[in-house]
Amino acid sequence: QKEVEQNSGPLSVPEGAIASLNCTYSDRGSQSFFWYRQYSGKSPELIMFIYSNGDKEDGRFTAQLNKASQYVSLLIRDSQPSDSATYLCAVKPTNAGKSTFGDGTTLTVKP
Amino acid sequence: DGGITQSPKYLFRKEGQNVTLSCEQNLNHDAMYWYRQDPGQGLRLIYYSQIVNDFQKGDIAEGYSVSREKKESFPLTVTSAQKNPTAFYLCASSPLAGGNQPQHFGDGTRLSIL
Repeated sequence: QKEVEQNSGPLSVPEGAIASLNCTYSDRGSQSFFWYRQYSGKSPELIMFIYSNGDKEDGRFTAQLNKASQYVSLLIRDSQPSDSATYLCAVKPTNAGKSTFGDGTTLTVKP
Repeated sequence: DGGITQSPKYLFRKEGQNVTLSCEQNLNHDAMYWYRQDPGQGLRLIYYSQIVNDFQKGDIAEGYSVSREKKESFPLTVTSAQKNPTAFYLCASSPLAGGNQPQHFGDGTRLSIL
């Protein structure tokens, strides 16, 4: 079992729909959770981070964390073609020097 | 502008040659990281450093070496022992290694074999 697992994808949604991206992790000591967006041929850019159970909203993006279920998700409301990218989930234990990344889920938003 | 600068953007390696990828940051971050990304894959950690003159191996350190002589700089050498070096190499930094701050990435270097 991988330490961080994401939907294999690809995920395709119509423009204006809600895209739901999921991530599970195996280390119960994980404390910090990050979502990165990576456009084809580019480097990852941070879009959301969450540390506490529950929801965190930032514009059209909502991160949801459930530590009991070891599950973190990213919802993108009103999806736009410009949201088409690969989304990487990263997990970091407290006081650890490194994060572990999932393999990413590729999202395509069709006009 | 503060940020992470990687150079060169593209690099070609001949058989048996060592090559060095540069990573410089002016964000005053303590921690720096090197990742490798193969097509369609996630990020795999090569090496990371939490403080000057100290670094730790990641998951795929074989065939690579690093140094951290200055806080701002964390160069990666791909040695001839790395038999499959073709990949996208990403350097990242974060304020404190032990904290919960996210990593920020440079623009990457694409390495290919001639």
